Amino acid sequence: DGGITQSPKYLFRKEGQNVTLSCEQNLNHDAMYWYRQDPGQGLRLIYYSQIVNDFQKGDIAEGYSVSREKKESFPLTVTSAQKNPTAFYLCASSLQGAPGELFFGEGSRLTVL
Amino acid sequence: QQQVKQSPQSLIVQKGGISIINCAYENTAFDYFPWYQQFPGKGPALLIAIRPDVSEKKEGRFTISFNKSAKQFSLHIMDSQPGDSATYFCAASKGGNKLVFGAGTILRVKS
Repeated sequence: DGGITQSPKYLFRKEGQNVTLSCEQNLNHDAMYWYRQDPGQGLRLIYYSQIVNDFQKGDIAEGYSVSREKKESFPLTVTSAQKNPTAFYLCASSLQGAPGELFFGEGSRLTVL
Repeated sequence: QQQVKQSPQSLIVQKGGISIINCAYENTAFDYFPWYQQFPGKGPALLIAIRPDVSEKKEGRFTISFNKSAKQFSLHIMDSQPGDSATYFCAASKGGNKLVFGAGTILRVKS
């Protein structure tokens, strides 16, 4: 079955630690996205990538980093510089030219202790 | 800057009733307006979408109404069922660019 796989589903980290969230897709989509979801704030775009080896900052990129070395993979690193990292993180993909039709993974819930 | 404003924040509807969620946008260049449905612990999924050249689109029990002059669009869920209980997000995009999401509406359908 085609889809997007995010891991881990739940993650706990101590303050000051970096953590990397995995996102893999087998939909052959060119574009991939990372969103952050907080209660009452909707989905806010962190980073997106339209092609391999290229990515752009979204609305809330500070404290995050990404890479896009393969078409199928778009990992997100939450660095210690992110002041409020506890959140639900969603990865998505879309066909090139159809960014409104996103396919989402099931999310990763990060809790900073 | 919130480019898409969604209301209400939460909604309780009796089974069989009509659920209505509203969104307003500011940017007249937006040309694609999707609605996403999200169940607890899951990622959102595209439910239905509309472009501004039509005023209404219906898919089963779900209907989008679009008012270009008022810069508003809404989702109507007819004959609401407990299985419709979820969070609903409206969104907008322009010219093939990235989506802007509303804040979401938590819908609960009471049986």
